[in-house]
Amino acid sequence: GQSLEQPSEVTAVEGAIVQINCTYQTSGFYGLSWYQQHDGGAPTFLSYNGLDGLEETGRFSSFLSRSDSYGYLLLQELQMKDSASYFCAVRDEWGNTPLVFGKGTRLSVIA
Amino acid sequence: KAGVTQTPRYLIKTRGQQVTLSCSPISGHRSVSWYQQTPGQGLQFLFEYFSETQRNKGNFPGRFSGRQFSNSRSEMNVSTLELGDSALYLCASSSTSGSFTGELFFGEGSRLTVL
Repeated sequence: GQSLEQPSEVTAVEGAIVQINCTYQTSGFYGLSWYQQHDGGAPTFLSYNGLDGLEETGRFSSFLSRSDSYGYLLLQELQMKDSASYFCAVRDEWGNTPLVFGKGTRLSVIA
Repeated sequence: KAGVTQTPRYLIKTRGQQVTLSCSPISGHRSVSWYQQTPGQGLQFLFEYFSETQRNKGNFPGRFSGRQFSNSRSEMNVSTLELGDSALYLCASSSTSGSFTGELFFGEGSRLTVL
């Protein structure tokens, strides 16, 4: 089976940078994904890392190190609207195993 | 194009009753997954269906069941409800089973309260 560890809560100041870490244990590995969920809303896809390195999408970046079973989501120029829960997720094997989520990190952006 | 639609959005049941939740995926998506979300527990995988076949099943008791129809719509059923079944039930669709990037498109969820 799989297990993922991420911090339960993070607080950061508006305009700052915050990093949310995720470590995982899986029998196989087919990529690390990140999802955002605002209170009362549906989770929405943010990014995917299939290979080692950094993927950048606007203010958000995601990093993966397969050798360390570790990844992170980096949020820059934080805005109040970034206050949400962030989930990392992994899949053991493409097509045959479900996407398994971590318990989520609640990010609070303060003025 | 329309997103994933889940009905009902909210429902209240009492212990021992059963409930059926419905999910209409994005048009053209053949894979539907169900997750249970409770505070502090994240999203726990229930089942995944692809072309009417259950591809994967999570570690939930047999009271939890599901199915997928030929039009890709899916239902999940929980029988003999327990207080601990109170949760947000999320449905997600993707264009193929295990889409390449792992991207799932989620509905707003059905919030079940068991009294």
